[in-house]
Amino acid sequence: KQEVTQIPAALSVPEGENLVLNCSFTDSAIYNLQWFRQDPGKGLTSLLLIQSSQREQTSGRLNASLDKSSGRSTLYIAASQPGDSATYLCAVTAPQPNAGGTSYGKLTFGQGTILTVHP
Amino acid sequence: DAGVTQSPTHLIKTRGQQVTLRCSPKSGHDTVSWYQQALGQGPQFIFQYYEEEERQRGNFPDRFSGHQFPNYSSELNVNALLLGDSALYLCASSLGPGEEYTQYFGPGTRLTVL
Repeated sequence: KQEVTQIPAALSVPEGENLVLNCSFTDSAIYNLQWFRQDPGKGLTSLLLIQSSQREQTSGRLNASLDKSSGRSTLYIAASQPGDSATYLCAVTAPQPNAGGTSYGKLTFGQGTILTVHP
Repeated sequence: DAGVTQSPTHLIKTRGQQVTLRCSPKSGHDTVSWYQQALGQGPQFIFQYYEEEERQRGNFPDRFSGHQFPNYSSELNVNALLLGDSALYLCASSLGPGEEYTQYFGPGTRLTVL
């Protein structure tokens, strides 16, 4: 059974710092890994998606890396801003049992990292 | 272009009652997935609907059921509500049922069971 873990559970940093969020997964047979942002009480916004054949993806101040063999991904946020404060979630899609190799798009999430960037 | 919409925004029910949550997918999307997110936890997959059929189901009891209509909108029904059903229910839509399609999430419905 695929399990996803995120460390740390919470992180508080001053504005301007560079920071790293960690995500690990137990089964390396994944199709892709995705990082999401969630503001309090709101839905999820996709930030970056890394296919299993890729090593990293970049969008603006965000860079996500994937090491499938070790079951790890990191999200790097450069020059953090108060507007970056949110919960960050990682999720993987993987083949489902008795499904002929498809994932049905099922996302398995970690529990999230709550990020606070203070001015 | 409207994104994924969900209704209602908030809902309060009592134990034993039944509830129906609704989701309209993003324009052009034919696949809808439902997730339950308890406070402080990551979302948990409930099920996926494609071509008006339940295609995959997570580890949820039969009290959780759903439906997809010909216009691709979907409903999530929960019977015999328990206190533990209190959560944010998220709907996600995509262009198809597979892992190659990006899922777009709605704002969620906050269900409180008293």
